[in-house]
Amino acid sequence: GAVVSQHPSWVICKSGTSVKIECRSLDFQATTMFWYRQFPKQSLMLMATSNEGSKATYEQGVEKDKFLINHASLTLSTLTVTSAHPEDSSFYICSARLPRLAGDWEQFFGPGTRLTVL
Amino acid sequence: GQQVMQIPQYQHVQEGEDFTTYCNSSTTLSNIQWYKQRPGGHPVFLIQLVKSGEVKKQKRLTFQFGEAKKNSSLHITATQTTDVGTYFCAGNTGGFKTIFGAGTRLFVKA
Repeated sequence: GAVVSQHPSWVICKSGTSVKIECRSLDFQATTMFWYRQFPKQSLMLMATSNEGSKATYEQGVEKDKFLINHASLTLSTLTVTSAHPEDSSFYICSARLPRLAGDWEQFFGPGTRLTVL
Repeated sequence: GQQVMQIPQYQHVQEGEDFTTYCNSSTTLSNIQWYKQRPGGHPVFLIQLVKSGEVKKQKRLTFQFGEAKKNSSLHITATQTTDVGTYFCAGNTGGFKTIFGAGTRLFVKA
């Protein structure tokens, strides 16, 4: 299947600093990528839909000034957690869709980034 | 807003027993996907169901999509220890947004 990479895989930062997470589709172009957040033993919560060349669409309750998303190319989306606080500590996962025939598609997830804010 | 409910939350089985997890949506879905997430890993796409009443099989896994396209199930026959993980359903109403169920954690005792 298609490969989606994320970098870094884990990061520890001090409270108040900003952290950038990269999501790349390695062998296909993704006009749309998605950012999820997952707390331990919980489901994935969609944070935003990242659209190449345009503004991201944020889900209700997700602060767009807190979680900056940039989709500068067809293979790269970045999520920047600004002024991180301990409550932002979580597992952040991106995904991208690969269109198939007849309108079908598959969704591939990156390996995730574990953010710990001290 | 749209919700996807998934039950049970946990399931403990003896190796060789069958396992089923169920998903119900508050709205009609255009499609539903199933994912498996191993402990410490990321979700891995298993399958997508699109048609009303659709049934698909992957070896010991059987996936069903309800006639009303509001519910779905994943059934594993004769579980193995390698089946351990969390199984998520995720529904899509036709737009880009995919809503995940809470997941069912499967524990398999050898």
